[in-house]
Order: sequence, then C-alpha cells, then structure tokens
Amino acid sequence: EVQLLESGGGLVQPGGSLRLSCAASGFTFTSYAMTWVRQAPGKGLEWVSGISGSGVDTNYADSVKGRFTISRDNSKSTLSLQMNSLRAEDTAVYYCAKGSAVGDWGQGTLVTVSS
Amino acid sequence: DIQMTQSPSSLSASVGDRVTITCRASQGISNSLAWIQQKPGKAPKSLIYAASTLQSGVPSKFSGSGSGTDFTLTIISLQPEDFATYYCQQYDVYPFTFGPGTKVDIK
Repeated sequence: EVQLLESGGGLVQPGGSLRLSCAASGFTFTSYAMTWVRQAPGKGLEWVSGISGSGVDTNYADSVKGRFTISRDNSKSTLSLQMNSLRAEDTAVYYCAKGSAVGDWGQGTLVTVSS
Repeated sequence: DIQMTQSPSSLSASVGDRVTITCRASQGISNSLAWIQQKPGKAPKSLIYAASTLQSGVPSKFSGSGSGTDFTLTIISLQPEDFATYYCQQYDVYPFTFGPGTKVDIK
C-alpha cells in the first residue's frame, strides 16, 4: 500500500522559511516523479512543483519560482520542499503526491504564513 | 502557461443521475489529462489519467474521454459518496495546471 506522510507544516511569519518533508513507502520511490500540490483555504488545487525520479529535473509554478526548492533523497524515500521568503498567499494545505499524473496523495500539511 | 477551464462550475444532481463535466485546455495537450475528486476536508483522490484510464480501484461508473483540447468526465448512477468537487489537470507541459473545479451537490 502506498503511503505518503507529510510533515513540517506550521505557523511562520511573512518572509520566513519552512521545510516540508514527505516520507514515502509502499512503492519503488526512484521509479516515480514526485509532485507538490497546494490548496489555499476555500480555494482550488494549485500545482506547485515537480521532480523527476532521479532528482535531476525540477519544475516550479511561476508563483513560487525562485523561492521554493524541491528535492528528494532516494536513499531515504523522502521528498522535500524548502520554502523561503514566504508570503501570506502561500498559506495553504500542501500535499505530497506520487507521479506526474498523480496517482496517490498524502493527507497534507497546513502552512500558515501570518504575523 | 496552459489554462484549464471547466464547465459547469457547479451542478445539482439527484441520486441515480448521469453527470457530465467538461474540461478545456487553452492549447493541445494530447491525452495528458487527469481527473481528481475531492470531498470537503479530505485529501484529493485521483480517478483517471491519460484522459480515459481509470486509476486502480476506481469504479467503472467513472469514465473519461477526449484528446487535444476538449475532455469530459462522466459519472453514471450518481451515489451519495460521489457528491464532491472534481478537478481536471494537465500534465503535458510545465507548469502543470489544474482546472478551477466543478462542485457536484445534491439537488
């Protein structure tokens, strides 16, 4: 059974940083691209970032480019999202997801950017 | 960026109804289209990828079709557990993008 467990969310001040992690299990981690998707309160889904199975190729939404960095540790089956220069509009539930055509989703972790 | 639109934005339906949701991409995306279901307060659940292929474990009451720019999601014999918001997502060109969602509620 595929399991994706996000952690690292919380309350942070504008301009601050936060690092999200996603522990993956139940599948061959290196065989899949991985994705971060977020959802602001009461809003729709927004694709944030994706990374290839090897970790070599990364892509970002324009709204986070230059501020967020996606990475993965294939030895630990862990996906990460380093978020810097956070803004109020980054407040959202962040989901870790398996694949580019996402097949499985984590339960999400809430990030709140507020003073 | 590729813009995804959905219609309708919401609809009311009865148990047992057949429902069709449309998704349109601002440029051709071949069949790189997924459909996702989300219930209030819950994580999303993927239903379909490659425009028409059901994810493992998804019942055949859900079906998808289309290619290029126009796609549809059809749900037959709507049941109480199917009332949710449905999103389409293109994964052909980065940045990948979601449609705004279609909320299906009970009439």
